[in-house]
Amino acid sequence: GAVVSQHPSRVICKSGTSVKIECRSLDFQATTMFWYRQFPKKSLMLMATSNEGSKATYEQGVEKDKFLINHASLTLSTLTVTSAHPEDSSFYICSAPLGGNQPQHFGDGTRLSIL
Amino acid sequence: GDSVTQMEGPVTLSEEAFLTINCTYTATGYPSLFWYVQYPGEGLQLLLKATKADDKGSNKGFEATYRKETTSFHLEKGSVQVSDSAVYFCAHTPQGGSEKLVFGKGTKLTVNP
Repeated sequence: GAVVSQHPSRVICKSGTSVKIECRSLDFQATTMFWYRQFPKKSLMLMATSNEGSKATYEQGVEKDKFLINHASLTLSTLTVTSAHPEDSSFYICSAPLGGNQPQHFGDGTRLSIL
Repeated sequence: GDSVTQMEGPVTLSEEAFLTINCTYTATGYPSLFWYVQYPGEGLQLLLKATKADDKGSNKGFEATYRKETTSFHLEKGSVQVSDSAVYFCAHTPQGGSEKLVFGKGTKLTVNP
């Protein structure tokens, strides 16, 4: 079964809306989670590393004020796309490591469509 | 910097054909290597992994061997099925699996009956 739950799976909303995406680790604690963005027919691009209890670490070129990340507990990280515009439409995926050199497990992704 | 290069797709095969998807990497230190699979409309699933040189990862008939001398981790399967149709991503982490992943661009595989 899934070890990482991501919600919602699909969002369609108007331009200017802020959208929150949740990523939960199930049955394990994750002090670190990762947020990726996938463009059509492209690879996954790491956006940021979410750190429980501290600020997220953003990759170069990712707007911190645009993509707000909050890791308020050991099982939940949220990504909020603020004032979303059509160019923010994409597939967003989170992942969390199980720890102890175990591989990361991914959520099922969120398809965001901004009209 | 760290990177992963995998063969361009798409790849189209007939059922029971042999599959190879090439992957090479550049990394500092001793990375762990992974293949992830993404079925249509879904997130990524770990297919197999290898954590040190000469390790062979295997799962569901797929195999890949960690070749440090050629910095490669090619994915192979002896007889593909229609259900193997998906996008395959090669990836690595610097060490272990707890750090951010560096992905290749993905290779779309279509298997026809």
